[in-house]
Amino acid sequence: DAGVIQSPRHEVTEMGQEVTLRCKPISGHDYLFWYRQTMMRGLELLIYFNNNVPIDDSGMPEDRFSAKMPNASFSTLKIQPSEPRDSAVYFCASSLGGGGAYNEQFFGPGTRLTVL
Amino acid sequence: DAKTTQPNSMESNEEEPVHLPCNHSTISGTDYIHWYRQLPSQGPEYVIHGLTSNVNNRMASLAIAEDRKSSTLILHRATLRDAAVYYCILRDVISTGNQFYFGTGTSLTVIP
Repeated sequence: DAGVIQSPRHEVTEMGQEVTLRCKPISGHDYLFWYRQTMMRGLELLIYFNNNVPIDDSGMPEDRFSAKMPNASFSTLKIQPSEPRDSAVYFCASSLGGGGAYNEQFFGPGTRLTVL
Repeated sequence: DAKTTQPNSMESNEEEPVHLPCNHSTISGTDYIHWYRQLPSQGPEYVIHGLTSNVNNRMASLAIAEDRKSSTLILHRATLRDAAVYYCILRDVISTGNQFYFGTGTSLTVIP
């Protein structure tokens, strides 16, 4: 398996533009997570899905952020409009199962977003 | 989930053992202790996890205090490739989700 795939790897955009980050989880995994990492705040959980359904989006910073998972093999994180403070590395992770037994999370390589 | 406390940074000489401490004084009986690490410019990766007993795998060992209020990740022979940020995370086994809350971690520098 190729692991968790994220695209693009780097994104540079101007303030006010719409940004869409993409993630393909490991095949068969039923949990998908979006994280954001900055120097100031570290690694933060934004939202996670179980079987394509959003379960907890309490980490999403504001209405400018939205995430979808239309099917088991694809998820998007959209920022509209983008602001300079959104500049960060965004990670997608997936796992098989959740709750009760331990389920290792597998992380993608991340998307480095720069908003000018 | 209960909170963990780790030193911000540590140094080790190459090929020597490294002991990375983690305090979790408010741990509950159903909290698992997980360790992940993040190599430079990469996403975090799983290292090891445990509940009460010490654990060993090919990457590291996890020593858990008898009262479970602290634990130590042991790298038996540090290599340059082990330079990373190491995160100690608690997760309640009865939680319905599988989310992790990462703290600030310990940045390990390995000196050649």
